[in-house]
Formats: sequence, C-alpha cells, structure tokens
Amino acid sequence: KAGVTQTPRYLIKTRGQQVTLSCSPISGHRSVSWYQQTPGQGLQFLFEYFSETQRNKGNFPGRFSGRQFSNSRSEMNVSTLELGDSALYLCASSRTGTASSYEQYFGPGTRLTVT
Amino acid sequence: AQTVTQSQPEMSVQEAETVTLSCTYDTSESNYYLFWYKQPPSRQMILVIRQEAYKQQNATENRFSVNFQKAAKSFSLKISDSQLGDTAMYFCAFMKDNAGNMLTFGGGTRLMVKP
Repeated sequence: KAGVTQTPRYLIKTRGQQVTLSCSPISGHRSVSWYQQTPGQGLQFLFEYFSETQRNKGNFPGRFSGRQFSNSRSEMNVSTLELGDSALYLCASSRTGTASSYEQYFGPGTRLTVT
Repeated sequence: AQTVTQSQPEMSVQEAETVTLSCTYDTSESNYYLFWYKQPPSRQMILVIRQEAYKQQNATENRFSVNFQKAAKSFSLKISDSQLGDTAMYFCAFMKDNAGNMLTFGGGTRLMVKP
C-alpha cells in the first residue's frame, strides 16, 4: 500500500510570491491534516479536511488556505509569502475523521524556503 | 485550549539500556487520546504508541510502553533495550475525542542512543 505522498519535496520561493503544496493520502483515507514544523514554533496544526470539507482550522492567518478534492487529495496554498513561512509542511491522512481511527500516517513533508 | 509540555529537550542513553521521556499536558476535556510520535533524521513522522484517556491500563507496543497518570496529566514514554535506530526526535501529542484529527504537539525531545 502506497504511503502518503507530498509534492514537491523541496521548494524555494521569494517573499510576496504564493505557493501550492500537494498531498495524496493513502488510498481509502478520507481525512487529511496539515501541520507546519519550524525550529522556533515546533509543530503546529494548520487545518484538517474530511470529505472535501474543512473540519478544523488552526491559528494561522488567512494567507494559509487549503482544499480537498473528491479523490481525497488535498492542497494547501500560502499567498504573499513571508520569510517566517519557511518551514517543513507535513501532511497526515487517516481513514476517518474521528480520533478513534488513531492511525494518522504522515507524509515525508515539503521543505519550503522563502528568500 | 490544550497544551503539551516536554521538559527534556535532549536526552541520551546507552544502547540496550532503558530511557524514559516525560510529557505533561493540560486540558479540560474528559475524553481524549495521547500519542507518542517519532521523527528520525529522515523527517518521516511515525506513530509509536497511543493511549485512550478512558483506559486505565497503560499501553505497550513491543519495547515501548507508557506510564499514563490521568489525574497528574502525565504521559511518559519508556523505551526498553534501546537500539541505535531509536535515535530520533520524540513528540508527545494530544487529540480531543470526536473533534477530528487535530493533534497538539509538545516541543519534542531529541533522543540519542549511543553505542
């Protein structure tokens, strides 16, 4: 069974630009969550999508947005990039949208560098 | 809001010995789940073990076990017979029940297993 895939794996962008990151969950998984990992702030929850609907949202500005498609693939977008957006962005998928399905599988992440 | 605290930024242990990583959390929820995740240098986040708050019995998974003290809001991870492959960042995480897949992570403990 293929794991969670994230593309691209590495990305370099300039301040003010926008970026789109993609996450393909494990086949059959309907919940996709996104996290930002930085040395200063650690791991922070961005948002979760389940059946194409945003279920939860973390405390991030509106520049961060996401969506989920009917095949459960998810994208997140960051507009007007700032230097502080440089981070590892992790995607995780699970079968259902409840904690009882504890098996959250993480992808390898996308390393975004903003210059 | 929930908070998760890992008070040991770094730890080291000799191969084959036992080490315990500490985690405390704060929540007003009565139903929740606690997790330990491992992030090796490859950055791939891997679930190590989970604990349902309603279960009094401590979870075990091979060489990994937890000491869950609900009243004290403590959730420590014990690694027995440490192996070189256990070298990684370890994150303690909290998830509310029936609130979707939104993890709140601690700051992490960097564990080094020495030969």
